[in-house]
Amino acid sequence: DQQVKQNSPSLSVQEGRISILNCDYTNSMFDYFLWYKKYPAEGPTFLISISSIKDKNEDGRFTVFLNKSAKHLSLHIVPSQPGDSAVYFCAASSTSGTYKYIFGTGTRLKVLA
Amino acid sequence: GAGVSQSPSNKVTEKGKDVELRCDPISGHTALYWYRQSLGQGLEFLIYFQGNSAPDKSGLPSDRFSAERTGGSVSTLTIQRTQQEDSAVYLCASSPSGGARNTIYFGEGSWLTVV
Repeated sequence: DQQVKQNSPSLSVQEGRISILNCDYTNSMFDYFLWYKKYPAEGPTFLISISSIKDKNEDGRFTVFLNKSAKHLSLHIVPSQPGDSAVYFCAASSTSGTYKYIFGTGTRLKVLA
Repeated sequence: GAGVSQSPSNKVTEKGKDVELRCDPISGHTALYWYRQSLGQGLEFLIYFQGNSAPDKSGLPSDRFSAERTGGSVSTLTIQRTQQEDSAVYLCASSPSGGARNTIYFGEGSWLTVV
């Protein structure tokens, strides 16, 4: 039972353009979401978070959008840079649960110079 | 230390042997998580410790897997009688508390290869 899904295993984007990474979840109790970036042979690093009380959170080139009714969130990277090439994971948790984070399967982003 | 520290960084073991993986969380962090990532897969939750509460072991894939956290700090993940399907990178993470709105910080992982 995959509660957090990233249906696109990979994405290629031209440098300078927008990258949009999508994430869907099934558990309506999830109310806090995180995005992580992972380079090969390194641990995931935190990018940006969003609480269910918001529908948008922005940090520099990164913006996360949350659509609670659709149980969908997306990460926008504008403008995309070659250094953004990595695997991106979304994660979700519930404040009423044990607070463990459930991760998606990841999307490999390649930004082409 | 400044970040989550894991050891060993790489481990090659023979099928059937036991392995121990160690995690030193960020100082002062009360919550500790173990995840693993198999080749081509996402991050799979294994176990979660929060303070003195009973750990959430719901992600451990079999009874060959166990984990301890001594003194509320260092954690050891033990895999007994390793199998080839146990080959993966095992990631430890910690957060300041167990609250759902805390960012979790990952170590660089322990790469386990079972031959």
